[in-house]
Amino acid sequence: GGIITQTPKFLIGQEGQKLTLKCQQNFNHDTMYWYRQDSGKGLRLIYYSITENDLQKGDLSEGYDASREKKSSFSLTVTSAQKNEMAVFLCASSSRGGAYAEQFFGPGTRLTVL
Amino acid sequence: QQKVQQSPESLIVPEGGMASLNCTSSDRNVDYFWWYRQHSGKSPKMLMSIFSNGEKEEGRFTVHLNKASLHTSLHIRDSQPSDSALYLCAARFTSNTNKVVFGTGTRLQVLP
Repeated sequence: GGIITQTPKFLIGQEGQKLTLKCQQNFNHDTMYWYRQDSGKGLRLIYYSITENDLQKGDLSEGYDASREKKSSFSLTVTSAQKNEMAVFLCASSSRGGAYAEQFFGPGTRLTVL
Repeated sequence: QQKVQQSPESLIVPEGGMASLNCTSSDRNVDYFWWYRQHSGKSPKMLMSIFSNGEKEEGRFTVHLNKASLHTSLHIRDSQPSDSALYLCAARFTSNTNKVVFGTGTRLQVLP
């Protein structure tokens, strides 16, 4: 088996601040994803990366940047944090196998903006 | 925009009862569906996947897929309090390689 780690676990920022979230996986998966989950709601896709050096926008990419530095790591930057923003950011990875591309999720980073 | 709609938003069933959850794609270019379960405070974990028309059963869980109507459903029989969770449907769209979109979820509560 493998594991996905996300750092930090909790992130508190100020309005307008640039904030970076990090994700590492040791599954040797090709594809990685960043999702945002507001309290009790579904997952909204921010960015995904099919392979190293690839970057694809999801439906919620405005206000965010992402970087796939190497196969095992995928970072997300909140370019300007919005006041009263609270959400959990989930990183996931999957093999590029299509039919069997089950996503495995990290524990999440909980963001609070003051 | 490719969307995945889930219904109902929330569902309460008695212990031992049957829970039925629905999921529909807005875009015809969909090939794979997954169902994930997320317990409170935890991350989602895949429950079942379905890619072909028909039915798939794993223990108390059954998934149906009708590709013509772009609809999948998850049925949980003999529901247990431990089944209480947020159930998320996900779909992959062929027009956009490896883009997986999740629905808004159905919150299931099983009352003892």
